[in-house]
Amino acid sequence: EDKVVQSPLSLVVHEGDTVTLNCSYEVTNFRSLLWYKQEKKAPTFLFMLTSSGIEKKSGRLSSILDKKELFSILNITATQTGDSAIYLCAVEPLGYNQGGKLIFGQGTELSVKP
Amino acid sequence: ETGVTQTPRHLVMGMTNKKSLKCEQHLGHNAMYWYKQSAKKPLELMFVYSLEERVENNSVPSRFSPECPNSSHLFLHLHTLQPEDSALYLCASSHPPGQGYNEQFFGPGTRLTVL
Repeated sequence: EDKVVQSPLSLVVHEGDTVTLNCSYEVTNFRSLLWYKQEKKAPTFLFMLTSSGIEKKSGRLSSILDKKELFSILNITATQTGDSAIYLCAVEPLGYNQGGKLIFGQGTELSVKP
Repeated sequence: ETGVTQTPRHLVMGMTNKKSLKCEQHLGHNAMYWYKQSAKKPLELMFVYSLEERVENNSVPSRFSPECPNSSHLFLHLHTLQPEDSALYLCASSHPPGQGYNEQFFGPGTRLTVL
């Protein structure tokens, strides 16, 4: 069965800290891995990763994928209170009959204290 | 309006009521999705519509009935729900599956409480 597992489930840090969020997956045929940030309601898109070893970066956030070891990490440097959110990892399987399916992990709840 | 909008934002209903959730996307996408998000559980895909045709139904109970009249609008009709159906219902849109990568954009969700 395809599945996505994120760790840790929750994390509390102080402003200025650097955090690493983990996402491991098992999927029959892999197409892409996506990271989302969910603050109150709507998950907002952060990154899509399709190739191993190529880092995606946006400001203080960066992410990388390891297709051999079946995991991805999301790094946030110099954290701010505005980074407090649930971070969701999702994997898109490859296959015509997958119908746009994204398989989500449970999420990591990050809390950044002043 | 831009992005993906959902109405209502909050809904409280009894088990015998009939109600509908509405989603509208302004991104020019052709695929739309309904997800259910329960506390401490991963998002669960409920329905996928691509080019206004249903392509995925993840064994959702028949008390949930989707409708996609055009590529910009998606409805979820609810009837005789159970208290365990209380959750956040999220709508998303993207380009059709199989046409590029499936980057989905989400609406703010409807917080549903079934009494």
